[in-house]
Order: sequence, then structure tokens, then C-alpha cells
Amino acid sequence: GIQVEQSPPDLILQEGANSTLRCNFSDSVNNLQWFHQNPWGQLINLFYIPSGTKQNGRLSATTVATERYSLLYISSSQTTDSGVYFCAVAGATNKLIFGTGTLLAVQP
Amino acid sequence: DTEVTQTPKHLVMGMTNKKSLKCEQHMGHRAMYWYKQKAKKPPELMFVYSYEKLSINESVPSRFSPECPNSSLLNLHLHALQPEDSALYLCASSRLGQVYGELFFGEGSRLTVL
Repeated sequence: GIQVEQSPPDLILQEGANSTLRCNFSDSVNNLQWFHQNPWGQLINLFYIPSGTKQNGRLSATTVATERYSLLYISSSQTTDSGVYFCAVAGATNKLIFGTGTLLAVQP
Repeated sequence: DTEVTQTPKHLVMGMTNKKSLKCEQHMGHRAMYWYKQKAKKPPELMFVYSYEKLSINESVPSRFSPECPNSSLLNLHLHALQPEDSALYLCASSRLGQVYGELFFGEGSRLTVL
């Protein structure tokens, strides 16, 4: 099956800093989503982005499907951005696979 | 507020108990999912329902029994669970005809098996 690797595994930022999270996948995909899991456990869908670039406020994402990676940009980070960021992909099998996640801590 | 509602938020049960987790959505989505998440791990798919029919069972033990009574509701019946089944159980839904489309998750039900 598709392998999904995320980097970095852990990240500590000062409030106001910018960051880039990366998701690499091992095969072609027709579905890629970024999620934020808050400290209480809820998964929030940030982007549905199998290809191209999208922006939503301080967040943006880019997927380069031909090179098998996606990037999530967080600008002017806030403490509420803390949590785990997951990338999830689906390919020919249509099974959505979650990456191992990036644990982000934004300090005031 | 989340548009996928899960109850209860917390559940403690013994190994001989029978309990159920419930999930409700009113977004008109016709695909619904159960995921299991252990601490510090990514979510793992358990079941997928498409148009109220079970379409995917990821080899889940029979002590977990899903049910989709109608297009808005999804239940997970629990019986004779083991302590290692303690986890966060997440329900999700996606748009009509799009299994594995954009997923929307509920807040989860945190289960502890004693």
C-alpha cells in the first residue's frame, strides 16, 4: 500500500513564527487531505487538495502530485495552532491512509 | 460547532458489558466511517458505509458491530471488549457518492475498557 511520511515529527515555534510541514507519499494519489487534531482529539479538515494550491487565512497548502509531496504552510502562528497535523492520502485502492503526523507546539 | 455529533464523549466499560457509540450528521452525506485512534498514533480505518450499506470492513474483530439505521445515523455496538480496545473512536462522513471524499470528523468518543 501507499506509504505516507510526514516531517518534521515534532516542531516547536514561538508565536508569530512561520512554518512548513511536509507530506511525502510513495505512489500516485487521487485524494489528499490535511487535518489538524486539537488537544481534545477532534480532527478538523483543513484542505482537500489532491493537486494545486489552496489558501485559507493564515494557512495554505500545495500538492505536487507528479513529485509525490504536499506542503502545509502556517504563517504568523498562534497558540491555537498547536496540535497534531495529519496528511491523509488515497490512491488506486481508494483506502485513505493517514501519515504519522507532525506534533506542533506554539509557545506564547 | 462540529456538524458530526458523537455520543457519548467518554465511556468506561467492563469487559462483559454491552454498550454503543452513536454518530449523527445532517449534511446529507451518504458515506460514513468509523476510525480507531490509539494515543500518539494516526487514525486507523475500521468500517465504511456507503448509501447505508457496509462497503468496507478492515478485518475488525466481531466484538465491534457497526450499524447504519439511516443516512444520518451510524452506530458502533461494543461487546466483550478487551482493555487493548481502549482508544478514541472517531466517526466521519463525506459527500454523496464520494467514498473517501473530503472527510468531516466528529469530536470522538474516548473509550476505556477495564
